[in-house]
Amino acid sequence: DADVTQTPRNRITKTGKRIMLECSQTKGHDRMYWYRQDPGLGLRLIYYSFDVKDINKGEISDGYSVSRQAQAKFSLSLESAIPNQTALYFCATSLGTGELFFGEGSRLTVL
Amino acid sequence: GQQLNQSPQSMFIQEGEDVSMNCTSSSIFNTWLWYKQEPGEGPVLLIALYKAGELTSNGRLTAQFGITRKDSFLNISASIPSDVGIYFCAGPKSNTGNQFYFGTGTSLTVIP
Repeated sequence: DADVTQTPRNRITKTGKRIMLECSQTKGHDRMYWYRQDPGLGLRLIYYSFDVKDINKGEISDGYSVSRQAQAKFSLSLESAIPNQTALYFCATSLGTGELFFGEGSRLTVL
Repeated sequence: GQQLNQSPQSMFIQEGEDVSMNCTSSSIFNTWLWYKQEPGEGPVLLIALYKAGELTSNGRLTAQFGITRKDSFLNISASIPSDVGIYFCAGPKSNTGNQFYFGTGTSLTVIP
């Protein structure tokens, strides 16, 4: 089983719908991150959390929200999805040493 | 926001050739990381660099931390088909340490 699991792996939705992407980890790491990947733009940080009570905005947090339900769970929500949020989304964890451990990604398409 | 620029954006090379790519930043980094992303997967760490001027190898991969702390280089020697993927540089901005910024990526294709 993967150490960092993302669900769903693929999702197609319509403009205006609320979407939640979930991430769970078995690595025991306190730090969790959400990134989005777009061709030619690399990975951009959306939100990150260092523990259950800590939530921080990244580079591109507008239009997104997150919830850290437990040490092992960090979910990303799009309250009202729009087409330019079509992207590949990655959850990652870290011990704080510099290495990030990524999930397999969630591909979201907003029509 | 912070942006790390990688070049080249893409490379098509013959198996056996050496590969060089680099990453530049407008800000100082105190750590440089190099990741590889294979199709359908998340990025995986290849090499971590923690000191300006540092040169570190991992098998056929060698990475260097630029002395200005604003750039880093990755070389792959004697490329093989399984080297195919997207290579990303990354690092925490020195005055935050908490946010990891990623480069725009270099897509590598190895032709057998």
